[in-house]
Amino acid sequence: DIQMTQSPSSLSASVGDRVTITCRASQGIDFYVAWYQQKPGRPPKLLISAASTLQSGVPLRFSGSGFGTDFTLTISSLQPEDVATYYCQKYNSAPLTFGGGTKVEIK
Amino acid sequence: EVQLVQSGAEVKKPGESLKISCKVSGYSFTSYWIAWVRQMPGKGLEWMGIIFPDDSDTRYSPSFQGQVTISVDKSASIAYLQWSGLKASDTAMYYCARRKIGYCDSDNCYQFPFDFWGQGTLVTVSS
Repeated sequence: DIQMTQSPSSLSASVGDRVTITCRASQGIDFYVAWYQQKPGRPPKLLISAASTLQSGVPLRFSGSGFGTDFTLTISSLQPEDVATYYCQKYNSAPLTFGGGTKVEIK
Repeated sequence: EVQLVQSGAEVKKPGESLKISCKVSGYSFTSYWIAWVRQMPGKGLEWMGIIFPDDSDTRYSPSFQGQVTISVDKSASIAYLQWSGLKASDTAMYYCARRKIGYCDSDNCYQFPFDFWGQGTLVTVSS
C-alpha cells in the first residue's frame, strides 16, 4: 500500500510568516492529493483537492502544489485563525490513506 | 444543505457490541460514497472503509478488515459502523464523510476526496 509521509509533524511560526507543509507519497499518485484542516474539537475541513484546487470559501493565502510523489501546502501569510492540524490524503484508489498530520501553532 | 449527522457519544464495556450511525440529508444518498474515519485520542486520521449506498459495494482498510462492519439503510439515508466485540483500543472519535463517485470521460478519469463530514461520534470503551 502507498504511504503518505508528512513533514514536519509540528511547527511554530509568527503571524504573517509563510508556512510550508510537505507530503510525500511512497509511489506516484498523479495529482490525487487533498489537504484538510482540523481545528480542535472539530471535524476535518477540505481545503484543497487535486493537489492545487482551492475549495470554495477557503482563503486565498492557502495554496497547494505538486504531482506524482511530492506535494506541498503553503500558507502565504499565517493568521491566528490558521492554528490547526493539517492532513494530506491520497485518494486515487483505496486505501485512502492520510498523512500523519502537521500541527501549526503561532509563535 | 448537505448534512451528515452522527449519533451521540457512547460508553461501552470491552466485549460489548455497538452500532453507530450517520444520517445524511440535502443530497441523493445513493449517489455518493460514505467513508468512516477513526481518530484516536490525540492522534491523526485513519481511513477505515467506504461504502456505496446504491449497491452496498464496500471497501475496507486492511487495518480494519474483519474488525468492523459498514452498512447502510437506503430507505432511511443512514450509514452505519458496527463492532461485535469492542476493545479498549477502539476508544476514539469516529467520523463519517461523503465522497463523490468517480467517473471517466473520453480523456481522463476523475476521483474525489471527502467534501462533507459528520460532527463525529465519541466511543469510549472501558471496564
